[in-house]
Amino acid sequence: DIQMTQSPSSLSASVGDRVTITCQASQDISKFLSWYQQKPGKAPKLLIYDASELDTGVPPRFSGRGFGTDFTFTISSLQPEDIATYFCQQYENLPYSFGQGTRLEIK
Amino acid sequence: QLQLQESGPGLVKPSETLSLTCTVSGASIGSMAYYWGWLRQPPGKGLEWIGSFYYSGRSYKNPSLDSRVSMPVDTSTNQFSLKLSSVTATDTAVYFCARLSGRRGSSYRDTFHFWGQGIMVIVSS
Repeated sequence: DIQMTQSPSSLSASVGDRVTITCQASQDISKFLSWYQQKPGKAPKLLIYDASELDTGVPPRFSGRGFGTDFTFTISSLQPEDIATYFCQQYENLPYSFGQGTRLEIK
Repeated sequence: QLQLQESGPGLVKPSETLSLTCTVSGASIGSMAYYWGWLRQPPGKGLEWIGSFYYSGRSYKNPSLDSRVSMPVDTSTNQFSLKLSSVTATDTAVYFCARLSGRRGSSYRDTFHFWGQGIMVIVSS
């Protein structure tokens, strides 16, 4: 199984800050990585697929990059509504696997 | 507009079978070329994929749960189900049904694009 290591586990930042989260796969997953946003009590929402493609309607302040084993997710200017937990997920191989999540808080 | 809604008991006794249903509206699970599936999230923890099936019948399951999982489909009611047998406290979680985006046709290399709201299931006597 492919293990996804996500860091940091929590992050505190100010409105307007640039925020970056990393995700590392235990083996090459090519571009098959997605990022989800999950707010308390809600289902995850897909933000980015294929490592860098923004899903429809997702604000351009969100971005992703990477290939192979190392990936990053960035919010260019943190907004109050971005407070959530963010997960990465690999879908190169079954079973699908997720990172443990990054809880983002406003400082 | 596609909507998925999980339903079922919120409390299951240890050793019994957990049974959940996902009701789909806005799409036909039997005639549209998508993967559908189940995931879960233990309290305060990350997501775990349980299994997925393609509209034509092909299915995949997480090996860690394979022997305990079945995913029956009822196209007449546009519902699919999750049955997880011999549950223990470690099966306590929010359970989600979801659909992949379909960007890559019959390939499983795809993202979970639509999700139900989730249903909390507690395993306790």
